[in-house]
This record gives sequence, structure tokens and C-alpha cells, in this order.
Amino acid sequence: AQRVTQPEKLLSVFKGAPVELKCNYSYSGSPELFWYVQYSRQRLQLLLRHISRESIKGFTADLNKGETSFHLKKPFAQEEDSAMYYCALSPLEAAGNKLTFGGGTRVLVKP
Amino acid sequence: EPEVTQTPSHQVTQMGQEVILRCVPISNHLYFYWYRQILGQKVEFLVSFYNNEISEKSEIFDDQFSVERPDGSNFTLKIRSTKLEDSAMYFCASSMTGSTDTQYFGPGTRLTVL
Repeated sequence: AQRVTQPEKLLSVFKGAPVELKCNYSYSGSPELFWYVQYSRQRLQLLLRHISRESIKGFTADLNKGETSFHLKKPFAQEEDSAMYYCALSPLEAAGNKLTFGGGTRVLVKP
Repeated sequence: EPEVTQTPSHQVTQMGQEVILRCVPISNHLYFYWYRQILGQKVEFLVSFYNNEISEKSEIFDDQFSVERPDGSNFTLKIRSTKLEDSAMYFCASSMTGSTDTQYFGPGTRLTVL
């Protein structure tokens, strides 16, 4: 069984400060990891995923298999980054593509 | 840009009634999903659907639930006899392929069971 944990329910930072959202997972096989974001009154949308190794809106995430983590980082937070962020896992071996989500972290960027 | 749509945005029903939640996935996508989020809890997988059959379902997806693709565009979730604990936000998603392909989510239907 797979599990995703986001230990922080709320992160409050000032504009221009770094922000790091923690995500830890447990899964015995090979996972693909995702970060989804939900802005106010909008739908869940993909922010980034491990396999593409992109930086989106200044965010990056590194998969650390030793620590089973996929933390999301941004060096300089902007007010428009205020949103709910969800870490999610999908097993690479499975064809069904089921996503297992963490509980989410609400990010509030203060001016 | 194509989007997943869901109707209605909010459904209120009495306990024991049947509800059908509707979704229109992105047109060239082949894999369809339902998730739900009870208030204050995690987004939970319910079911995935491909080639007109269920490919995976969770423990939550019991005999009260069913899914259907009645035509070439709609994907529905039916709850036969709603319970209070079915109150949640229900999200539909679709992806072009399976196997970790990006899933695109609809805006959700808020189901309230009284």
C-alpha cells in the first residue's frame, strides 16, 4: 500500500522569503511523484512531477529515495503562490494510474 | 485549452436517494477517474475506468457505487442509496494514457446528503 504524508497543514511566509513544503511517502515499489496545486476557487492542477524534472513558476522538487521525500521548494515566494498544495504518488508499475494524495499544505504568502 | 467539466456544481439530496454525478472528460483522453474529498480530509481515489470497464477501485467503491460511460462524451458516477457519510466533494479526472500520465481534474461536485 502507498501513503503520502504532508506534515504541515499551514505554511505562512512573507513575500520574497523561501518556502519549502515537505512531502514524505511510503511505497515498496517505484513511485512517480507529483505536486498538484489548487488556487482559490480553481480546480486541482498539476504543478510539477518528478519525471519531467522541470521548474514551474520557480518551484522545484527533488525525489530523495533514501529519505522517501519529494519536498517542494521556491527560493522567493510571491503572493500569487498562496494556494493549497498537494503531494501525490502513483505507482510506476501499475497501469491503473491511481493517485494517492497527501493531506495538503495551505501556503499563505503575506505582503 | 480543453478542460474536464462536471455537473452539477452542488447537489443536495436526502439520505437513501440515488444521485448521478456527471463529468465530461477531455475529448481525446482514454482514462477516467473519480476521487472524493470529505471536508477536512484527504483527496481519496474511488475508481479508474478504461475501455468501458473498471481498471481499479478502492475499498470505498462498494456496491452502492457504479460508473458508466453512457455515450462518447459523458462519464457518470452513481450512488444508489446515499448515506450521510457520502457528503463530500467529488472530483472527476481524465488522462490520455494510464501509467502515471498527468491527470486533469474537473472543478468538482459538492454532494450534500441530508
